[in-house]
Amino acid sequence: AQSVSQHNHHVILSEAASLELGCNYSYGGTVNLFWYVQYPGQHLQLLLKYFSGDPLVKGIKGFEAEFIKSKFSFNLRKPSVQWSDTAEYFCAVIFSGGYNKLIFGAGTRLAVHP
Amino acid sequence: NAGVMQNPRHLVRRRGQEARLRCSPMKGHSHVYWYRQLPEEGLKFMVYLQKENIIDESGMPKERFSAEFPKEGPSILRIQQVVRGDSAAYFCASSPPGNEKLFFGSGTQLSVL
Repeated sequence: AQSVSQHNHHVILSEAASLELGCNYSYGGTVNLFWYVQYPGQHLQLLLKYFSGDPLVKGIKGFEAEFIKSKFSFNLRKPSVQWSDTAEYFCAVIFSGGYNKLIFGAGTRLAVHP
Repeated sequence: NAGVMQNPRHLVRRRGQEARLRCSPMKGHSHVYWYRQLPEEGLKFMVYLQKENIIDESGMPKERFSAEFPKEGPSILRIQQVVRGDSAAYFCASSPPGNEKLFFGSGTQLSVL
């Protein structure tokens, strides 16, 4: 079955710490990969996406993600987090043939302490 | 260009009542998706609609749930005879034809008492 796994449900960091959130997906075919962020009380916003090309993708607000096909992974990174990065982060995948049907991971809640 | 509009933001219903959730897609978007987010879980796909057509309803519960996207007006997600387990955040997303980017609404938080 097509699925998306996020390894960490809750992450707590201090400001300026580095962040890496894991995301793995099932299936070995063509995929489109996304990271969304949901700030408290707000709607989902697209952080970055990967369709093809350079596997290292730069997104908004200093985030980046690396697609490693052999590991079926698309981990999200940020070198130095800020308090304003406190939010829930969702990895999502469109599997080939799935038009725009996003399959989401369970999400990771990030809390950044000043 | 207003974003995807969902209303109401919060909806409280008693068990057995009906819940109607509305979603107005962005201008020019003819594709609508509904997702449900249960506590401590990710968003689960429910249904994909184009104008007047249900394309994929594989994520919809077999009973009590229905969705429509009429030629005119918003998309409606209807839940009949709600139960406590229906309490969740329901998100709508829209996209224009041929574009993989979905724009999400702010969601409707349904609480069933």
